[in-house]
Amino acid sequence: GEEVAQTPKHLVRGEGQKAKLYCAPIKGHSYVFWYQQVLKNEFKFLISFQNENVFDETGMPKERFSAKCLPNSPCSLEIQATKLEDSAVYFCASSRNDGGEFFGPGTRLTVL
Amino acid sequence: GEDVEQSLFLSVREGDSSVINCTYTDSSSTYLYWYKQEPGAGLQLLTYIFSNMDMKQDQRLTVLLNKKDKHLSLRIADTQTGDSAIYFCAEKRGTGGGNKLTFGTGTQLKVEL
Repeated sequence: GEEVAQTPKHLVRGEGQKAKLYCAPIKGHSYVFWYQQVLKNEFKFLISFQNENVFDETGMPKERFSAKCLPNSPCSLEIQATKLEDSAVYFCASSRNDGGEFFGPGTRLTVL
Repeated sequence: GEDVEQSLFLSVREGDSSVINCTYTDSSSTYLYWYKQEPGAGLQLLTYIFSNMDMKQDQRLTVLLNKKDKHLSLRIADTQTGDSAIYFCAEKRGTGGGNKLTFGTGTQLKVEL
């Protein structure tokens, strides 16, 4: 597609439950990124992929967060045992090798 | 340091020019970006500049880059009420296509009639 698609738009989980977010990058883009926007103006990088391979995972909280980009499937970000502080908007972005990263509309995760 | 800094707030009158400033930190940055975020929405890529350029113009938008001072600016000509949003600058460090973006703190632009 011509736009990055993210589902669901909103997700509500009780503390301790699992959350799974999905992202379909723009066709032809080989890089996928996940970012977390916690406060209104603060973006935290989580992980990037080059095709199905992890490129940079230095931002991932290792214990509870995992992500995959498998061929012919949407990319996914999974949070095991969610905590209150995981409440945020999670953005996926995709890019070619150079130029800009194009962002999806985000998934708002609320942990109660 | 790691920080990319922007002023928090800018207010302009409709029809005037807006200039949003950004100071970044890493001399190895290859691309510098401007994104726009409206309430409840994702990030819209407005424009970007490669670090070996000092200016880029795209319709009402002009980006100026001062690499010596690590200073980036975005000028919006003939600002309209639809330009009201938060504007983020971001830098991509190094040459890897999968390298992350480091975002500034965002500047809230308010356009008054």
